[in-house]
Amino acid sequence: GENVEQHPSTLSVQEGDSAVIKCTYSDSASNYFPWYKQELGKGPQLIIDIRSNVGEKKDQRIAVTLNKTAKHFSLHITETQPEDSAVYFCAASISGNQFYFGTGTSLTVIP
Amino acid sequence: GAVVSQHPSRVICKSGTSVKIECRSLDFQATTMFWYRQFPKQSLMLMATSNEGSKATYEQGVEKDKFLINHASLTLSTLTVTSAHPEDSSFYICSALLAGVYEQYFGPGTRLTVT
Repeated sequence: GENVEQHPSTLSVQEGDSAVIKCTYSDSASNYFPWYKQELGKGPQLIIDIRSNVGEKKDQRIAVTLNKTAKHFSLHITETQPEDSAVYFCAASISGNQFYFGTGTSLTVIP
Repeated sequence: GAVVSQHPSRVICKSGTSVKIECRSLDFQATTMFWYRQFPKQSLMLMATSNEGSKATYEQGVEKDKFLINHASLTLSTLTVTSAHPEDSSFYICSALLAGVYEQYFGPGTRLTVT
């Protein structure tokens, strides 16, 4: 089955700096890669996603890149703000049939 | 758009009782819903996949007779924890799949505490 690895497990950045979280996957059939933000005590929130036919996608301060050959994808957050502090999960899916999650990255933005 | 609600948000029950958790997609129809369990500081663990009008598919190690799932309509799935025990205490999260685009939207979660 699919195996998703996520690094780092914790990340601290100064406000205004950039944050990068990386994930790798094992199943070349995976074609959908979402990223979720989870605040304490809440359910995960879809923040951005990328499909296998695209190499990069950007939405304001967040962007995701995908390298299908290397089987890795990354989340980039620029100009970080304290409200970006949360746990971020990557996931890989084959057409939405099942989602395989990374182990999460706890991001702390220091004011 | 794409809002999923979950009720209740918190529940405390006594050992041996049953608890029902509802998951609703408020502004879209979801033929597929997922139920997850999350332990503190850990990732989401898929319990079962719920498809409207058919039996749920449970992950290995999840007792289907203990965690009853019913997906009776395109907007509602329920998880019933039967004969709950303290080890069932956890954060339960549902999600609904937006068909055709693979997007998964999560509910706010239910904190279950069994005393």
